[in-house]
Order: sequence, then structure tokens, then C-alpha cells
Amino acid sequence: AQSVTQLGSHVSVSEGALVLLRCNYSSSVPPYLFWYVQYPNQGLQLLLKYTTGATLVKGINGFEAEFKKSETSFHLTKPSAHMSDAAEYFCAVSGDNAGNMLTFGGGTRLMVKP
Amino acid sequence: EPEVTQTPSHQVTQMGQEVILRCVPISNHLYFYWYRQILGQKVEFLVSFYNNEISEKSEIFDDQFSVERPDGSNFTLKIRSTKLEDSAMYFCASTSGLGRPDTQYFGPGTRLTVL
Repeated sequence: AQSVTQLGSHVSVSEGALVLLRCNYSSSVPPYLFWYVQYPNQGLQLLLKYTTGATLVKGINGFEAEFKKSETSFHLTKPSAHMSDAAEYFCAVSGDNAGNMLTFGGGTRLMVKP
Repeated sequence: EPEVTQTPSHQVTQMGQEVILRCVPISNHLYFYWYRQILGQKVEFLVSFYNNEISEKSEIFDDQFSVERPDGSNFTLKIRSTKLEDSAMYFCASTSGLGRPDTQYFGPGTRLTVL
């Protein structure tokens, strides 16, 4: 069984400040981990994903995430927030078989203040 | 860039009515999925579909739900007799089946409102 917990349903940062969105997972198999972003009235867009190998993963729009097995975490960061980053962010986990479902966390709404 | 499309974007229906939500997955993809997101809650897996049959389904996907790939391009979700609690955003997704992991590409969703 797999599960994902995202700490903080709402995070507010100032423009230019560090963004840190937290994700912890539970998985009985080696996990594949994902971050998706959802802009208002839009679908889910993949930001980045962790497979195997390098634990620091870089994604689109300047985001990156680090896989820490010992902490079962996959936190999302961005050094400098931009107003356009305001959106809802979802962490998700899947198994490694083709066609595996995604299990999502509850989401974190990021607000960026000018 | 290829994308998953969904129609309609909004659907309003009366309780007890049947609805069909439509999706056009990316053309060379092999696996298809439906997820739903009740307002204010997390995205939940409903069902996955491969080789013209259901490969996995959640507890939510009961006898009121069915999926079909009626032709080479469409993938549909039918709810036979809608309930108030079926009100949600429904997302379709597809994958190629080739990646490890397999990236799921999502459509923009259909907002279903049951009155």
C-alpha cells in the first residue's frame, strides 16, 4: 500500500522568497515520486519526477525536489518565488509497473505575495 | 505537443440521471485512467484501463461506474445513476506504458455537478 502526506494545505511566501513544499510518502515497494501543479481551472501538469539514481531532481519553472529515503521525503523547493507560481501542488507516488495508479497527497495551495 | 482532451468541461445533471464523460487520450498511449477530485479533497484514483479491459479499480468504482473505449480514440466514463456525492472534478489521464516510471498526462477535467 502507498500513501502520501503533504504538510500544510496552504503555504504563503513573498515574491522572491524560498518556496518549500513538504511531501512524505509511505510505500512497500521502491517508490516513483512525482510533483504535479494545478493552475486554476486547469488540469494537472507534471513538474518533475524521481525514478532512480540522482536524488536531486530538477523540473520545469525552476523547481527541484530531493528524494531522501531515510526520511521518506520528497520535498519541493524553488529558490525564488514568482507570482506566476501561485497554484496548487500535488505530490504523488506510484509503483514501478507499467500502468500503475498514482496515489496523491492532499495538495498544498501556494500563495505568493507581492 | 500532444495533449489529453476532455468533454464537456462542465456537466450539470439531476440526481438519478446517467452521465457520460468523454476523454481523448494521447494517440499512441496504451494505458488510460480516470481520477476524481471532490471539492477541497485530494485527487483519487478510480480506474485504469489497458488492452480493452479494466486493469485496476478502486473501492469508489462500484457498479454505478463503467468505462469503455468505443473506438480507437475515445475513452469514456459512465455513471449510471448519479448521486449528489458524485459531484466532483473528473480527470482523465493516459500513459505510453513504456516509461519507468510511466508519466501520466492529465486532461483539463470535467466538472460534474449533481443537483
